[in-house]
Amino acid sequence: EAGVAQSPRYKIIEKRQSVAFWCNPISGHATLYWYQQILGQGPKLLIQFQNNGVVDDSQLPKDRFSAERLKGVDSTLKIQPAKLEDSAVYLCASSLVQTGYEQYFGPGTRLTAT
Amino acid sequence: SQQGEEDPQALSIQEGENATMNCSYKTSINNLQWYRQNSGRGLVHLILIRSNEREKHSGRLRVTLDTSKKSSSLLITASRAADTASYFCATDSYGGSQGNLIFGKGTKLSVKP
Repeated sequence: EAGVAQSPRYKIIEKRQSVAFWCNPISGHATLYWYQQILGQGPKLLIQFQNNGVVDDSQLPKDRFSAERLKGVDSTLKIQPAKLEDSAVYLCASSLVQTGYEQYFGPGTRLTAT
Repeated sequence: SQQGEEDPQALSIQEGENATMNCSYKTSINNLQWYRQNSGRGLVHLILIRSNEREKHSGRLRVTLDTSKKSSSLLITASRAADTASYFCATDSYGGSQGNLIFGKGTKLSVKP
């Protein structure tokens, strides 16, 4: 079975620019997650979708970050405008159902904001 | 906020030795999961242990869970150079947003051939 796909793999932008990341989860997985992983730390959940509805976005900095999952399949995460501290790896994951099951992670997008 | 705290932060062993990593957490959980991350890659799920389980095995992996101490350990037996990676515990908290995993900072394991 194909894994979680993410693009781009790497992105370098200047601060105050905008950037968007794309994720395609494993087919049939209803739940999709976006995580931010800063160097040397574990992933931190930004937003969780169940189908095309938001379940939890309590840690999403909504003044600059937005995410959508139209049609309940693939998803985009946008940062507008980026700050230096947004430099991190952005990981997308999916799971069959919300809880009690493993999450499958994509390779991530490494963002460098200069 | 990060709930899980792994210990040690870094571990260096010789091939063939066993590696033990510990994880402590703060709130009641539904389950606890361990993930591996190779440098520059995404996370790979290793094992999930539910709150009513005390021990689980998968190949060379052994996980224990002590809910009274809010702690878990991951044992990798007969380690190989390919086990070199960062290992994270993640908790799915009881009463929290379901499926919302909270990760620790990880243990960086280095296995020397």
